[in-house]
Amino acid sequence: QVQLQESGPGLVKPSQTLSLICSVSGGSISSGEYYWSWIRQHPGKGLEWIGYIYYSGITYYNPSLKSRVTMSADTSENRFSLKLTSVTAADTAVYYCARDQSTYGTFDYWGQGTLVTVSS
Amino acid sequence: QSALTQPASVSGSPGQSITISCTGTSSDVGRYKYVSWYQQYPDKVPKLMIYEVNNRPSGVSNRFSGSKSGNTASLTISGLQAEDEADYYCSSYTSNSTVVFGGGTKLTV
Repeated sequence: QVQLQESGPGLVKPSQTLSLICSVSGGSISSGEYYWSWIRQHPGKGLEWIGYIYYSGITYYNPSLKSRVTMSADTSENRFSLKLTSVTAADTAVYYCARDQSTYGTFDYWGQGTLVTVSS
Repeated sequence: QSALTQPASVSGSPGQSITISCTGTSSDVGRYKYVSWYQQYPDKVPKLMIYEVNNRPSGVSNRFSGSKSGNTASLTISGLQAEDEADYYCSSYTSNSTVVFGGGTKLTV
């Protein structure tokens, strides 16, 4: 059973960089079978796809966030990460990591989510 | 990329059937079979209910079914039960190699 777990600061100051890690257990991100995604949900709002990464480092990002987003994969630690720069209050959200079983946006396993608040 | 369009809310009585629509464009829903549906209870993690338009993951009730016509995908829930009351989101792969979600639909039973 694959499990994903997000970790990182719950509070980030405006203009700083949000950094999150998703640790994967029960499966290897370097198996090559899946893409690994970040998805966020603003309080009381819908889901927003941020982007995904393949173990080799191939990435695809949401065009609306592309200029501020960087994703990376650490196969030795079996985890992948998200960096979002120049954050504002509008980036306050629950951030989920998820596995894409199809590489075309079929998210079958999700982390529990972590709330990141942007505030001074 | 613009979010897919879903009705904000739908409602139905126990035992009835309801359908939730998800409208996109010829660059996403209309172009690919990669439409998924997710169920989310308040403060819980989304759960995959339908993938590739009309496929159910193991363990998902056959009361849930999906379809697509042109740029609009649909999720139908038959034999509504109280436990189906939740938010539902659609998603689609796009021609830009990205993924877009719908705005979500609150189902009241």
